[in-house]
Amino acid sequence: DTGVSQNPRHKITKRGQNVTFRCDPISEHNRLYWYRQTLGQGPEFLTYFQNEAQLEKSRLLSDRFSAERPKGSFSTLEIQRTEQGDSAMYLCASSLVLGTGDTQYFGPGTRLTVL
Amino acid sequence: AQSVSQHNHHVILSEAASLELGCNYSYGGTVNLFWYVQYPGQHLQLLLKYFSGDPLVKGIKGFEAEFIKSKFSFNLRKPSVQWSDTAEYFCAVNEGYGQNFVFGPGTRLSVLP
Repeated sequence: DTGVSQNPRHKITKRGQNVTFRCDPISEHNRLYWYRQTLGQGPEFLTYFQNEAQLEKSRLLSDRFSAERPKGSFSTLEIQRTEQGDSAMYLCASSLVLGTGDTQYFGPGTRLTVL
Repeated sequence: AQSVSQHNHHVILSEAASLELGCNYSYGGTVNLFWYVQYPGQHLQLLLKYFSGDPLVKGIKGFEAEFIKSKFSFNLRKPSVQWSDTAEYFCAVNEGYGQNFVFGPGTRLSVLP
């Protein structure tokens, strides 16, 4: 499978615990995005990387959220001190930007449930 | 801030009916436009995209969309839907060379056999 992969697919945690999700993008894609999606809504942009550099973060992203892409390949999204409001599907997407346009390819997501 | 609206929350059609899902965006500059589909239990998949050129864009599975700049719209169409088209459809916009993608809230399509 050469698509975007995410692990774990499901995570159940207790409020206050830290969680970390991983995203492996399509090989050679230089951009990697994180989104959050709640039921009945479209994906909301959280942050994105161009290679290893984190270039933008949404104002929605509190300081409990941190993302890394240390070698410009896979990325991790960590949520510290989880809250029930963090329960959502966390989506990763990658793209190869060559010039005009940027087409994102999405992974299956990690569903987080905070009890 | 840029926003994307999708007119219908839930559309119910019978097989062979024609489909049109509305999408409007707020940004006035150069935009790239996308329709994604999410089948039950599956991840988001790209249906079609518009960057420039012919405003009538053809995608996979018989879908097409028309970019009307004067109306800030990018409506999705299919002449004859199938039961297998039952899914959630999301319109998305990003500005020119920008990286900030904004998604609409989605339209759930139910096709009755």
